[in-house]
Amino acid sequence: TQLLEQSPQFLSIQEGENLTVYCNSSSVFSSLQWYRQEPGEGPVLLVTVVTGGEVKKLKRLTFQFGDARKDSSLHITAAQPGDTGLYLCAGATGNQFYFGTGTSLTVIP
Amino acid sequence: KAGVTQTPRYLIKTRGQQVTLSCSPISGHRSVSWYQQTPGQGLQFLFEYFSETQRNKGNFPGRFSGRQFSNSRSEMNVSTLELGDSALYLCASRAGWVTGEQYFGPGTRLTVT
Repeated sequence: TQLLEQSPQFLSIQEGENLTVYCNSSSVFSSLQWYRQEPGEGPVLLVTVVTGGEVKKLKRLTFQFGDARKDSSLHITAAQPGDTGLYLCAGATGNQFYFGTGTSLTVIP
Repeated sequence: KAGVTQTPRYLIKTRGQQVTLSCSPISGHRSVSWYQQTPGQGLQFLFEYFSETQRNKGNFPGRFSGRQFSNSRSEMNVSTLELGDSALYLCASRAGWVTGEQYFGPGTRLTVT
């Protein structure tokens, strides 16, 4: 059972454009994490959000946790080639993490 | 502080063989989780160990097993390898069992021929 659906699955944009990635579920999570993964490497933790409605900013990246703690979004402003990678969301419920389907982002110089 | 380390990074095995993968968590972390990542299925949870005890298990056959040592290092074993076991196997550690953020290692790329 896939608890977390991410959209879009693939995204290819030009350098400088803005984009938003969505992570949706019908389940409530105690916290939600976003990761970025590069080919052949493990996911790297970007942020953890824990409170419904919480917004966190990490330079050009803005993360939001839905009020009901069922969904989240990641917005990137002025994307750069270094942002290229697979973005994964992971929701924590109880003591287990459930990963989203992933969004593969390519930023073209 | 050193991150999560996994050995080996790459492995090629033949169908029917068995394989053991190793993971050393971040110093002070007592929980280790294992995941399988494939292009078709994404990241799937295998199992989690805390204080040498398996606390959670995903939906994988009994050919996949693991253990954790007193120093929190963990090993994962896959017996009777199948072609479909080809994947990136990721290990993640966190400080506690119920709480704490997960930090991943670089993974072991297993290819079964």
